[in-house]
Amino acid sequence: AQTVTQSQPEMSVQEAETVTLSCTYDTSESDYYLFWYKQPPSRQMILVIRQEAYKQQNATENRFSVNFQKAAKSFSLKISDSQLGDAAMYFCAYRSVQGAQKLVFGQGTRLTINP
Amino acid sequence: DSGVTQTPKHLITATGQRVTLRCSPRSGDLSVYWYQQSLDQGLQFLIQYYNGEERAKGNILERFSAQQFPDLHSELNLSSLELGDSALYFCASSAPWGADTQYFGPGTRLTVL
Repeated sequence: AQTVTQSQPEMSVQEAETVTLSCTYDTSESDYYLFWYKQPPSRQMILVIRQEAYKQQNATENRFSVNFQKAAKSFSLKISDSQLGDAAMYFCAYRSVQGAQKLVFGQGTRLTINP
Repeated sequence: DSGVTQTPKHLITATGQRVTLRCSPRSGDLSVYWYQQSLDQGLQFLIQYYNGEERAKGNILERFSAQQFPDLHSELNLSSLELGDSALYFCASSAPWGADTQYFGPGTRLTVL
């Protein structure tokens, strides 16, 4: 079974600075999807960014980018120019391409933005 | 707004009771997923339906059941409720089979007293 690990329960960053959230996963599959979801205090789960494992190019969405290291099974999220609205829980998630399409989530990282 | 709706937003009930949570997927989405978010278990997949049929089961208790109706809305039924069932229950939907991205509803907060 696949597992996802987020080793940083909490992180903090100064407004306008850059922060990187870590995620590692374990799988025997060669093709899969990886996601970062954001959960602000409203509790809504919001998709931040997605990455297909077969693509070598790292995904980017505005101020959010990932560093996908397939061999190391690492998928970190970089947030540039941090804003107060970025404060939230961030969850890394894995999804198989074949078979069950469920999302397997990490434990989450709580990100605090200091003004 | 993801386009996925869930009702009710909050539900408070007593142990031993039964409740029904409702989810309407995004327009055109055929897959519906249910997840449970609790403090001790984190976010866990419960069950998936695709176009009315059950497609995958996760850590769903026998006291819980779900279904997807012809209009594609889904209901999650929780019975013989226990204190430990208190959690945030999310519904998510995705486009036709194989689409990778799931869009989440706002969740239903269940409190069992």
